[in-house]
Amino acid sequence: GENVEQHPSTLSVQEGDSAVIKCTYSDSASNYFPWYKQELGKRPQLIIDIRSNVGEKKDQRIAVTLNKTAKHFSLHITETQPEDSAVYFCAASIRTGTASKLTFGTGTRLQVTL
Amino acid sequence: DVKVTQSSRYLVKRTGEKVFLECVQDMDHENMFWYRQDPGLGLRLIYFSYDVKMKEKGDIPEGYSVSREKKERFSLILESASTNQTSMYLCASSVASGTANQPQHFGDGTRLSIL
Repeated sequence: GENVEQHPSTLSVQEGDSAVIKCTYSDSASNYFPWYKQELGKRPQLIIDIRSNVGEKKDQRIAVTLNKTAKHFSLHITETQPEDSAVYFCAASIRTGTASKLTFGTGTRLQVTL
Repeated sequence: DVKVTQSSRYLVKRTGEKVFLECVQDMDHENMFWYRQDPGLGLRLIYFSYDVKMKEKGDIPEGYSVSREKKERFSLILESASTNQTSMYLCASSVASGTANQPQHFGDGTRLSIL
């Protein structure tokens, strides 16, 4: 089955700096890559996603890049703010019938310090 | 806005009990999922369902079963609870993928403790 590795497990940056989280996946059939943000005690929330026919996608301060050849994708957060502090999960998806089965990375705890 | 509601935020049960976790979504989604979340392990898929009465095993189905009698409701069942099933359980739903993958929307989670 699919295996997703995520690094680093913890990341501390100063407010205003950039943060980068990297993930690799094993199954070349994976074709959808969402990123979720989970604040303490709250549900995971989708923040951005990318499909395999696109190399990069940007939404304000957040961007995701995908390298299908190397089977890795990354989340980039620019101009970090304290409210960006959370655990971030990457995932890779394989379609099974009409359902997209997600395999998650183990998460990155991002701490933005003042 | 998608609403996925899990019946309990916190639940404490005893070893050997049969435990039911309930999840309801209000967006007429075809797909529903159950995950467990453990520190350092991320979210792992237990079971999912793509239609009423249909179910498929995820990556860690052992010790669990599911039921989907109505489209909006997906239940996770621990047949005989054990201490290693102490965890945070998350339900999610999504529309049918069609020609493209669709994002999953999560509930707030149920923190289950088995004593």
